[in-house]
Amino acid sequence: ILNVEQSPQSLHVQEGDSTNFTCSFPSSNFYALHWYRWETAKSPEALFVMTLNGDEKKKGRISATLNTKEGYSYLYIKGSQPEDSATYLCASGTSYDKVIFGPGTSLSVIP
Amino acid sequence: EAGVAQSPRYKIIEKRQSVAFWCNPISGHATLYWYQQILGQGPKLLIQFQNNGVVDDSQLPKDRFSAERLKGVDSTLKIQPAKLEDSAVYLCASSSRQGETEAFFGQGTRLTVV
Repeated sequence: ILNVEQSPQSLHVQEGDSTNFTCSFPSSNFYALHWYRWETAKSPEALFVMTLNGDEKKKGRISATLNTKEGYSYLYIKGSQPEDSATYLCASGTSYDKVIFGPGTSLSVIP
Repeated sequence: EAGVAQSPRYKIIEKRQSVAFWCNPISGHATLYWYQQILGQGPKLLIQFQNNGVVDDSQLPKDRFSAERLKGVDSTLKIQPAKLEDSAVYLCASSSRQGETEAFFGQGTRLTVV
């Protein structure tokens, strides 16, 4: 994989449902994996930065895992709320200090 | 701490006109990024500065885009002349260390070229 890929492209869930997204990234020269949340009319906001294979991070109802050997990361949201509606971006940083963003997953949580 | 400041927030220009965007990063952040985000796509890195030196400008269309970061603090991004396909949100971000720490983003400038 030369680019950072994310799936699904968009997602609609009911309030209270749990959901997850996938980020695939080049495993060679990997340095760090970033997750950002981008709400409409606001700036992207960092959720997590992970560097080690097997890393798991959690912030409230949101958690993320990292597999650097196979080049993927999962973002989980437990009990989705309407305020979780946003575009979730992942970005891969390489040892060459380049940060490449994926296209994002657009999440809509229906009350 | 104060966040990344960008101006203007919105700009509408005609094709072939020029436009400039300004960014003031978080104090002390050595790394500054300019991204272009076209609707439906993820942000694309245009240029990355480390202090006042360019680290990566491989995706900057140099025939029409230019950027500078004098004194390693504020930065300006210029487009001259603009094309219709330049319509996008231009995001500035800064971080304390390249790649391994989170980037802090400004609110962006939404450019519409008509």
